[in-house]
Amino acid sequence: AQTVTQSQPEMSVQEAETVTLSCTYDTSESDYYLFWYKQPPSRQMILVIRQEAYKQQNATENRFSVNFQKAAKSFSLKISDSQLGDAAMYFCALYLGYSGGGADGLTFGKGTHLIIQP
Amino acid sequence: DTAVSQTPKYLVTQMGNDKSIKCEQNLGHDTMYWYKQDSKKFLKIMFSYNNKELIINETVPNRFSPKSPDKAHLNLHINSLELGDSAVYFCASSRGLAGGRDQETQYFGPGTRLLVL
Repeated sequence: AQTVTQSQPEMSVQEAETVTLSCTYDTSESDYYLFWYKQPPSRQMILVIRQEAYKQQNATENRFSVNFQKAAKSFSLKISDSQLGDAAMYFCALYLGYSGGGADGLTFGKGTHLIIQP
Repeated sequence: DTAVSQTPKYLVTQMGNDKSIKCEQNLGHDTMYWYKQDSKKFLKIMFSYNNKELIINETVPNRFSPKSPDKAHLNLHINSLELGDSAVYFCASSRGLAGGRDQETQYFGPGTRLLVL
């Protein structure tokens, strides 16, 4: 079975600084998808960024970028120019796709609580 | 223009009762899911469902049953509620087997907080 590990239960960063959230995963599949979701206090799950495992290029979405290292099974999220609105729980998630039994849904890490200090 | 909606947002009930949570998506997606988020914020898949196949996580008690009246709805029925069922339940959907770009990305509803007393 696949697993996702987020080793940082909590991170703190000054406003406007850069922070990196760590995520490692384990799967025997070669084709899969990785996601970062954000959950603010409103509890809504918001997609931040996605990465296809077959793509070598790291995904970016405005201030958010990932460092995807397939061989190391690592998928970290970098947030640049941190803003107060970035404060939330961040979840790393793995999806195997339909060829890998992906209808089983996303496998989540335990989350990292990100605090933004003004 | 809510993409994935759930009702109710909050549900407080007594042990032993039967309750339902409704989920609707207006994205035209083919696959829908139910997740449970426990008190430690850990999210776990309960069910995934498209118009042909229901896949149940083996750890889910059979007191939980999803019901889909049509492709846009996947409701969650819970019988004989127990204290341990208290959690936040999320519905999600994806394009799934409908294919196309971004078919794997799941979009979540706002969640339903269930409290069993």
